[in-house]
Amino acid sequence: DSGVTQTPKHLITATGQRVTLRCSPRSGDLSVYWYQQSLDQGLQFLIQYYNGEERAKENILERFSAQQFPDLHSELNLSSLELGDSALYFCASSVSPTSSYEQYFGPGTRLTVT
Amino acid sequence: DAKTTQPNSMESNEEEPVHLPCNHSTISGTDYIHWYRQLPSQGPEYVIHGLTSNVNNRMASLAIAEDRKSSTLILHRATLRDAAVYYCILRDGNTGNQFYFGTGTSLTVIP
Repeated sequence: DSGVTQTPKHLITATGQRVTLRCSPRSGDLSVYWYQQSLDQGLQFLIQYYNGEERAKENILERFSAQQFPDLHSELNLSSLELGDSALYFCASSVSPTSSYEQYFGPGTRLTVT
Repeated sequence: DAKTTQPNSMESNEEEPVHLPCNHSTISGTDYIHWYRQLPSQGPEYVIHGLTSNVNNRMASLAIAEDRKSSTLILHRATLRDAAVYYCILRDGNTGNQFYFGTGTSLTVIP
């Protein structure tokens, strides 16, 4: 158990819909990251927050947005869903945003868009 | 970010040591070498990381070449639980912490 929690574990929804994925980082970790893992793209970084502020983002579509709240939990919002958005979405956390620190990953949310 | 090259797959017998290689010929002086593994149906799991010197922890050892252009993850006694995809990742110590995962090495442990 990494200490990172993600909800829900599974999500099945239809094209065009909107969903919210939730992540609670490990106690004490200020930085949160979101990743997408699909069969054809592998594991891709989406966005990073540190203490409530967006720090970096890449590969994230305009239909996707995220935020980190004052209690440090984070939410990833996916809208106008397409079949290609079906993937595993992982959240990770670390105590510091610098690369000398390891990241701890949650169990993931499996999104299926039908 | 600097790229890494790993074999697509490797096999090992249970209870034998495993050496997983990674080439990173374009590594820069501030790049940290990270290793993560992903067991089936789970999120990636931190294994070990280092900058210049060899590192040991309870899970594995990391041997870094003197020129830092390659590294080797060493599992001292493979168990069935070690069957996973192992990712070697370089991260710039100055710019941020998002990780770029390549295709990794799929390790099969034979009982």
